Amino acid sequence: DAGITQSPRYKITETGRQVTLMCHQTWSHSYMFWYRQDLGHGLRLIYYSAAADITDKGEVPDGYVVSRSKTENFPLTLESATRSQTSVYFCASSDFGTAQETQYFGPGTRLLVL
Amino acid sequence: GESVGLHLPTLSVQEGDNSIINCAYSNSASDYFIWYKQESGKGPQFIIDIRSNMDKRQGQRVTVLLNKTVKHLSLQIAATQPGDSAVYFCAEPRGDTGRRALTFGSGTRLQVQP
Repeated sequence: DAGITQSPRYKITETGRQVTLMCHQTWSHSYMFWYRQDLGHGLRLIYYSAAADITDKGEVPDGYVVSRSKTENFPLTLESATRSQTSVYFCASSDFGTAQETQYFGPGTRLLVL
Repeated sequence: GESVGLHLPTLSVQEGDNSIINCAYSNSASDYFIWYKQESGKGPQFIIDIRSNMDKRQGQRVTVLLNKTVKHLSLQIAATQPGDSAVYFCAEPRGDTGRRALTFGSGTRLQVQP
């Protein structure tokens, strides 16, 4: 029971490069989310998706692109990485089919942009 | 808009003592809150939630108290153990995402002294 996984766990890249962070969940949850976590800001929502082929911007979407061709995958792409995108990125999922409105988080990807 | 925040950035307690972590919110219409625990190098993990029709909810060694009058909630951990050392976040659903994504506070670090 893998749950929700993210890859890579650590990534170092250079300014201007394209980077894709992967997220995969095995629960068939309809909703998936991307957050970034920076010191002093807590977790901030980048993008979310209600189902395959349905995505919406969150609080800090600039510089990021997402897609959701399959329910279980929700990749996040930094089209041209900037130093300000150095952060820890968390993917989460939820089905909202229960009384809980909570989300389940992956282990995170630590991204350093040089 | 919605705002979830915390009073104390770091809380240090002795093993076996009780811990109390506080959280303030600004939206009087907020009706659901979740506490997450984040251990070093891991993603946030669901601890307990509470709806506004309750003042108190208990789990295993944890209790959440909600005071709607002053818009404040707290997480109480009984008989704190070294494994409780982590950052704790309160969160609530974001109205601008149809209550699907979450808004997080900046977190409180709990340090348990042996």
